[in-house]
Amino acid sequence: DGGITQSPKYLFRKEGQNVTLSCEQNLNHDAMYWYRQDPGQGLRLIYYSQIVNDFQKGDIAEGYSVSREKKESFPLTVTSAQKNPTAFYLCASSIRTGGGYGYTFGSGTRLTVV
Amino acid sequence: DAKTTQPTSMDCAEGRAANLPCNHSTISGNEYVYWYRQIHSQGPQYIIHGLKNNETNEMASLIITEDRKSSTLILPHATLRDTAVYYCIALDISNFGNEKLTFGTGTRLTIIP
Repeated sequence: DGGITQSPKYLFRKEGQNVTLSCEQNLNHDAMYWYRQDPGQGLRLIYYSQIVNDFQKGDIAEGYSVSREKKESFPLTVTSAQKNPTAFYLCASSIRTGGGYGYTFGSGTRLTVV
Repeated sequence: DAKTTQPTSMDCAEGRAANLPCNHSTISGNEYVYWYRQIHSQGPQYIIHGLKNNETNEMASLIITEDRKSSTLILPHATLRDTAVYYCIALDISNFGNEKLTFGTGTRLTIIP
């Protein structure tokens, strides 16, 4: 079945360490997105990519980095510069052409930095 | 994209219709109304979307007012599994390839047994 896979589901890291969250999709979607969610809050956009080898900053990109070397993959690195990295991270993808049936989301990675 | 306003929380009895309102008074002609829901600790799930006409699918119905300034998502026979946070989003899909979903805090719907 087609879908988006995020791994791992839970991740623990020490403060000051970089960590990379994986996101893979087999939906043949062109666009991919990373969101962050804090307790009781809505989703905030970190980065997005419309095509391979291209990506744009979202609303809260500081302290994060991404790459898009393959259509299927859009990994997110949480760097030590991110002051408050503990959060729930969600990856999504969509067909690039306008509209359609919206976004497909992964099941998320819960990152805890201690 | 237009800002949307939703009640913070709502309760609904199991088996009854759940009606979730959304206000989008500044919506433009190119903006669709999308609804997603998020069950605790999962990724959001697409429910339905529409532009002008009312829409229905296997999950829900979407009623959009004639002036398009507000809409209502209807879950016809709510079950306990419908307990979730529901997000109403206005999305301009004319900007091909650059549309981005922006999530507010949504409505926390609790289905009461």
